[in-house]
Formats: sequence, structure tokens, C-alpha cells
Amino acid sequence: EAQVTQNPRYLITVTGKKLTVTCSQNMNHEYMSWYRQDPGLGLRQIYYSMNVEVTDKGDVPEGYKVSRKEKRNFPLILESPSPNQTSLYFCASSLSIRWGQTNSPLHFGNGTRLTVT
Amino acid sequence: TQLLEQSPQFLSIQEGENLTVYCNSSSVFSSLQWYRQEPGEGPVLLVTVVTGGEVKKLKRLTFQFGDARKDSSLHITAAQPGDTGLYLCAGVSGGYNKLIFGAGTRLAVHP
Repeated sequence: EAQVTQNPRYLITVTGKKLTVTCSQNMNHEYMSWYRQDPGLGLRQIYYSMNVEVTDKGDVPEGYKVSRKEKRNFPLILESPSPNQTSLYFCASSLSIRWGQTNSPLHFGNGTRLTVT
Repeated sequence: TQLLEQSPQFLSIQEGENLTVYCNSSSVFSSLQWYRQEPGEGPVLLVTVVTGGEVKKLKRLTFQFGDARKDSSLHITAAQPGDTGLYLCAGVSGGYNKLIFGAGTRLAVHP
């Protein structure tokens, strides 16, 4: 089954304790992206990657890191989490960035709910 | 900064009613997408509209892209409890190949 898999689904941690949220897709997609979703603010892009070893900042990259060493994996790293990073995080992938074409939708994982105390 | 405003933020209706949700911007988008997100899941693409004035139908859902490609609407006929969820619009910014999401309309359809 074609899918984007995120782990863990739920994570509670303390301020300053480094954590990694994994994301893997099995569709051979070139484009991958991380979003955070907060009430009233919608989905905001954190980082994205156009291909292996190519990553770029989105709209809210502060406090986050990513890497793209393999095509299928795109982990999100929080080196020193803070309470304002408490949020619902989504990884997404697509075949290309030509989203106007119906054969290139953005596929989302099921989310990771992170709480930083 | 390009923004997409969705209205209403919340909508609670009875089964069988009709409804329309709106997605508005002062910016022009090359295309616009609608997603539905159910609790505990990620958004799922419903439709992409590309041409100004375009209308697309998906069973009881009708999507329209404004003539000027700055706004869009989603109309649901005879809503059912299975339509419950968060509806998100996302504009494709042609100049930056970027998807910009609205904050969403949370719909609850009661039996």
C-alpha cells in the first residue's frame, strides 16, 4: 500500500531533550515536506526537500533540522525542544511539485502529536 | 505574503442540509486544491481546480474556482455524518511552486 509513515504517533518530552520524528514514504517520491498544524493557523511548512541531499527552509524553520540522505526517508530533528514546539506535525510527499496536475497530489502521513513540557 | 482565508471557521449542521464553505485571497493562484482531514489522520486531496471559473463535481461535493483565480468555494448537498471533518484549501503559488494552506473549516454533521 502506498503510504507515508510517521513515527511516533504521540510523543511527550521535556524542554531541551533532543528528539527525532521519522518519516518514510514507499512511493519513490522526490518531494518531501514537514508541516506543523496549530489551531487557527492551518498547516505551516517547516522544511522541504526536492530530492536527496537537497533541503530548504519553509515558513517556520527555527528550532528544527532535517536531513535527506535517502529518497524514502526525511526525519525531523528537534535539537532542543521548547514548549512552543508543542504541535501536530505532518510529513508529506509528492511525485513532483506540479500540484496543478491531478496526478501529483500531496500525500500526508497520519501525524505526530508532540507535547513539550 | 500570500494568505488564504477560509470561512466559516466552524459549521455545525443537521444531516440533509446544504452548506457552502469559502476560501478567499487577495492573491492570484495558478491552481487551488481542497483537502479533507478526519480526526487522527492526515489531509487527503479531494480535488484540484486549475482554470478560472472551473467547476468540478465529486458526488455531492461541488468545487468552484473563481474567475480571477483568487477564491474558491466548496458546496455540499444533503450533507451526511460521513462528511464531518476539517476542510482545507491550498493555493498553488505559481511563482514559487509552493502550496499555501488556509486554516480550514471544521464541519460537524449531526444525524
